Amino acid sequence: ETGVTQSPTHLIKTRGQQVTLRCSSQSGHNTVSWYQQALGQGPQFIFQYYREEENGRGNFPPRFSGLQFPNYSSELNVNALELDDSALYLCASSLVGANYNEQFFGPGTRLTVL
Amino acid sequence: AQSVTQLDSQVPVFEEAPVELRCNYSSSVSVYLFWYVQYPNQGLQLLLKYLSGSTLVKGINGFEAEFNKSQTSFHLRKPSVHISDTAEYFCAVARSGGSYIPTFGRGTSLIVHP
Repeated sequence: ETGVTQSPTHLIKTRGQQVTLRCSSQSGHNTVSWYQQALGQGPQFIFQYYREEENGRGNFPPRFSGLQFPNYSSELNVNALELDDSALYLCASSLVGANYNEQFFGPGTRLTVL
Repeated sequence: AQSVTQLDSQVPVFEEAPVELRCNYSSSVSVYLFWYVQYPNQGLQLLLKYLSGSTLVKGINGFEAEFNKSQTSFHLRKPSVHISDTAEYFCAVARSGGSYIPTFGRGTSLIVHP
């Protein structure tokens, strides 16, 4: 069974640029959630995708957008990067339909905005 | 909305000593409670969870936590820590019966000294 994978591991961008982060779900999972973890903070929920539709969103501006593909992999896109977007971005997959669906986290992508 | 307060940002302890990491939550509805561990440069791993039933929950690596509804607490304990337990620990709460999206605390850094 393959776990959640994310790419790239690290990324450096400059302010105003755009970035795309990728996530492959754990085998058999149909839901992907994205989190932003700033240095010294807990993860903050960005949004969740289920069956290729956004299924919930946290307090993040529209320049944070996402996609989920038919194979349940996902992308997080961030436009017009700001310095405060520097963080660890975590992806988590789960299986909706069970009474409780545990989220399994990937190792994250470290984004640095200069 | 739910919120989580982790009362200690850092807990230093000697190897083989007991440890307690404190967590209080706030919610107007029934909740699920979680503790996650994050090792350096890794994603989050679920240590244990409370969904319902017994208020004493046992997790992996010898950790346990007790749900106290009257005090709105979910403290994490281990009777004897190892050097390898050095990591960041996050308490999280999610609305029961909802989309199970957890709200995380800011984390407690457990530092185990030899």
